[in-house]
Order: sequence, then C-alpha cells, then structure tokens
Amino acid sequence: GIQVEQSPPDLILQEGANSTLRCNFSDSVNNLQWFHQNPWGQLINLFYIPSGTKQNGRLSATTVATERYSLLYISSSQTTDSGVYFCAVQGAQKLVFGQGTRLTINP
Amino acid sequence: ETGVTQSPTHLIKTRGQQVTLRCSSQSGHNTVSWYQQALGQGPQFIFQYYREEENGRGNFPPRFSGLQFPNYSSELNVNALELDDSALYLCASSLWGGSNQPQHFGDGTRLSIL
Repeated sequence: GIQVEQSPPDLILQEGANSTLRCNFSDSVNNLQWFHQNPWGQLINLFYIPSGTKQNGRLSATTVATERYSLLYISSSQTTDSGVYFCAVQGAQKLVFGQGTRLTINP
Repeated sequence: ETGVTQSPTHLIKTRGQQVTLRCSSQSGHNTVSWYQQALGQGPQFIFQYYREEENGRGNFPPRFSGLQFPNYSSELNVNALELDDSALYLCASSLWGGSNQPQHFGDGTRLSIL
C-alpha cells in the first residue's frame, strides 16, 4: 500500500518564525490533503492539493506529484499554529496518513 | 452549510462492553468514512460507507461494524471492547467521486476503555 512519511517529526520555534513541513509519498495519488490537529483533537482541513501551489493567508502548500512530495509553509508563526500537522494521501477509498509533524510555537 | 457532527464527544466503557458512535455527514455529502486514531499516531482507516453499503475496509476485525442510513448519516459499532480500542474515533464525509474528493472530518469521539 501507499506509504506516507513526514518530516521533521517535531519542530519547536519562536513566535514569528517561518517553517517548512515535508510529506513524501510512495505512489502516484489523485488526492493529497494537509490537516492541522489542534490540542483538542479537532482535525482541520488546510489544503486539498493533489498538485500545484495554493495559498491561504500565512499558509501555503506545494505538491510536486511527479516527484511524490508536498510541502507546507507556515510564515510568521503564531502560538495558535501549535499542534500536529498531518499529510494524507488517497489510496482507493481511504486516506493514508503520515505520522505527523508536531509543531510547538513558543511566545 | 452544516459540517460533520459526531456524538458523543466522550465515552467511557469497560472491557467486553459494546459501543455505538454516531456521525452526521456534511450537507450534500453521500459518503462516510471512519478512522481510529490511537494516541501519538495518525488516523487509521476503518471502513467507508456509500449507498448504505460498506465500500472498503481497513485492517480491523469483524467486531468493528457500521451502518449508513438513507439520510447518509452513519454509525460505528464495536463489540467486545478491548483496552486497545481506546482511541479517538473520527468520521469523515465526502462526495462520492473515487479518489479525487476531499474528506471533511468531524471533531471525533474520544473512547476510553477501563
């Protein structure tokens, strides 16, 4: 089955810093989503991005499907950005999730 | 637009008991998927329902079962609960369209087994 690897596993930054999270996947996919899971467990859709680049405020994402990776950029980090970021790719009916990147933003 | 809603938010059960978790899909969505998220892990696919039938299943034993109703809402049933069933259970809805439709998640049900 499809394998999804995320890096780094943990990231600790000061407020205002920028960060790049990476997602590598093992097979071609038709769907790739980025999620933010907040400390209360809510899984929030950030991007649906099977290919190309999208931006939403301080966040942007790029997927290079031919090279099987996606990047999530967070600029000018805020403490509310803390949480776990998941990349998930669609295989058959299911989303296959990576292990996540735990981001901690200190004030 | 109404999002995905799950109930209850928290549940405590003991080993051997049975539990039913509920999910209402986002308005306009006809497909429901269930995921189990153990502590410190990414969500794992349990199964998907479309047109009231199971349409794909992950590596979970038969004591995990589900239903989908004509209004597209869904239930997850777990029999003979084990300690390892303690997890966050997430429901996601989407439009049927193969693998190119984004899934939208509810806030989850946190199940604790004592």
